[in-house]
Amino acid sequence: GENVEQHPSTLSVQEGDSAVIKCTYSDSASNYFPWYKQELGKRPQLIIDIRSNVGEKKDQRIAVTLNKTAKHFSLHITETQPEDSAVYFCAASKGSEKLVFGKGTKLTVNP
Amino acid sequence: DSGVTQTPKHLITATGQRVTLRCSPRSGDLSVYWYQQSLDQGLQFLIQYYNGEERAKGNILERFSAQQFPDLHSELNLSSLELGDSALYFCASSRNFATNEKLFFGSGTQLSVL
Repeated sequence: GENVEQHPSTLSVQEGDSAVIKCTYSDSASNYFPWYKQELGKRPQLIIDIRSNVGEKKDQRIAVTLNKTAKHFSLHITETQPEDSAVYFCAASKGSEKLVFGKGTKLTVNP
Repeated sequence: DSGVTQTPKHLITATGQRVTLRCSPRSGDLSVYWYQQSLDQGLQFLIQYYNGEERAKGNILERFSAQQFPDLHSELNLSSLELGDSALYFCASSRNFATNEKLFFGSGTQLSVL
């Protein structure tokens, strides 16, 4: 089955810097790659997703890139703010099969 | 507010006991998913129901079971509880059964087994 590896497990940046979180997946047939943000004590919330027919997607300060050949995808956050501090989860799925999550990255943005 | 309701928010029980976690999906959503979140394991998929039928199974123990009722709410039953079952249990819902669409998560039930 699908396996998703996420790196790094923790990331600390200064406010205003960029943050990059990377994930690799094992099943080349996977075609949907969402990113969820979970603030402390709260529920995971979808922040951006990308499908395999697209190489990059942006939404304001957040972008996701996908490299199907290498089977990896990345989350880029620019101009980080303290409110970006949270745990970020990547995930992958294909068709109607289960969504498999990475183990998460704890991002800390220092003021 | 995601529209997904989970009860109770907290549950404290003893080893060997049985508990039931409840989830009401967003209005109009037919799929319900259960996830277990522990500190070092991220979000582990347990089981999915679609319109009352089991759709997909993940790493769900035999001591755990779930069902989705005609009104689409779902219950996760955990029995013969062990210390290692202590975790945050999330329910999520989506419109259809395909997993390539947005999941809306509830606030979770924090289970503590003492």
